[in-house]
Amino acid sequence: QVQLVQSGAEVKKPGASVKVSCRASGYTFTDYYIHWVRRAPGQGLEWMGWINPNNGGSDFAQKFQGRVTMTRDTSISTAYMELSRLGSDDTALYYCARLPSRRYYYDSWGQGTMVTVSS
Amino acid sequence: EIVLTQSPATLSLSPGDRATLSCRASQSVGTYLAWYQQKPGQAPRLLIYDASNRATGVPARFSGSGSGTDFTLTISSLEPDDFAFYYCQQRSNWRFGQGTKVEIK
Repeated sequence: QVQLVQSGAEVKKPGASVKVSCRASGYTFTDYYIHWVRRAPGQGLEWMGWINPNNGGSDFAQKFQGRVTMTRDTSISTAYMELSRLGSDDTALYYCARLPSRRYYYDSWGQGTMVTVSS
Repeated sequence: EIVLTQSPATLSLSPGDRATLSCRASQSVGTYLAWYQQKPGQAPRLLIYDASNRATGVPARFSGSGSGTDFTLTISSLEPDDFAFYYCQQRSNWRFGQGTKVEIK
């Protein structure tokens, strides 16, 4: 079955960077875009961006431009999201999600990775 | 940029009640609208896509309707497991509405 398994919780200091991984199994990794979505405490779901695992192409919400990098390693079917210059408002649960071809909705999600930014 | 506005922010209801959640788009999205449910500590789960199609395994008490700019998610008779957050999402830029919390009255 399709599974997206994310890396464990992280605690970072303000100004640091964090890199979250999302390991895919149960399907051909390069056939589906991976999107990243976060949910800060008391807030709703916020779309961050996507990566095309086939060619590494990516795009991000303007809010995160210059601060986020999305990469992948096809040899281990894993996508990565790195967020730099962390602030307290980056404290959130970060999710990866799979986007089926020619669809706009996500059919499978990772379990979430809690990132806490605190001095 | 299309913006989705959900209402109400919080819906306080009892098990067995009917829940009606609204999602309004700032411009037409046709029927390209999805609904998700999120419970505490869990990832979101797809409920409805293309405004009115239930995802695999979603109970029949969940239904979606609407087109253009106005959409509704209806839960015909709330089960204890349905108390959660609900989000709508549109196609043009994958953005979500701000969510509706359905809580026990």
